[in-house]
Amino acid sequence: EAGVAQSPRYKIIEKRQSVAFWCNPISGHATLYWYQQILGQGPKLLIQFQNNGVVDDSQLPKDRFSAERLKGVDSTLKIQPAKLEDSAVYLCASSLGASGAYEQYFGPGTRLTVT
Amino acid sequence: DAKTTQPPSMDCAEGRAANLPCNHSTISGNEYVYWYRQIHSQGPQYIIHGLKNNETNEMASLIITEDRKSSTLILPHATLRDTAVYYCIVRVDFGNEKLTFGTGTRLTIIP
Repeated sequence: EAGVAQSPRYKIIEKRQSVAFWCNPISGHATLYWYQQILGQGPKLLIQFQNNGVVDDSQLPKDRFSAERLKGVDSTLKIQPAKLEDSAVYLCASSLGASGAYEQYFGPGTRLTVT
Repeated sequence: DAKTTQPPSMDCAEGRAANLPCNHSTISGNEYVYWYRQIHSQGPQYIIHGLKNNETNEMASLIITEDRKSSTLILPHATLRDTAVYYCIVRVDFGNEKLTFGTGTRLTIIP
């Protein structure tokens, strides 16, 4: 089966610009996650969707980050305006359900560099 | 915050067994031990998880001590493709508890 798809793979922007990332989860997976991974650290959950509803966005910097999952399938994560500290890899993951009994499958990530 | 402690790095010779330790002294009775790994430039990949019994699958074995305060992930015959960062995570397997990644162990397989 096809895995989690993300695009673009790489993005370089200047601070104060905006950027958007796209994720297409595995078909049939109801739960979708966005993680931020800063160099040298493990991934940190930003937001979790169950179908098209937000389950957990407690660690999303809502003043500049936004995410949506229209129709409960694809998702986009946006940063506006970007800061230098937003340089990181943004990972999308999906699972059949929200319970910990379900394995999370990760995409390859989008590497963002803010200059 | 991560509830586990792992060594920052380890080396293992190709073809030998790689034993990756993890301490989780504050684990509660309903929390599982999960292992994920992240190969360079890829997203994390699930390896195995267990509650208190030892577990084995096609990728690895998981040995959990009787008091459940520590565990060891074993890759029985390490290959160069096993070079990666390995994350040990404790969480319940129900509800909505998120995966909390620490900094993991960077395992390097030496030819």
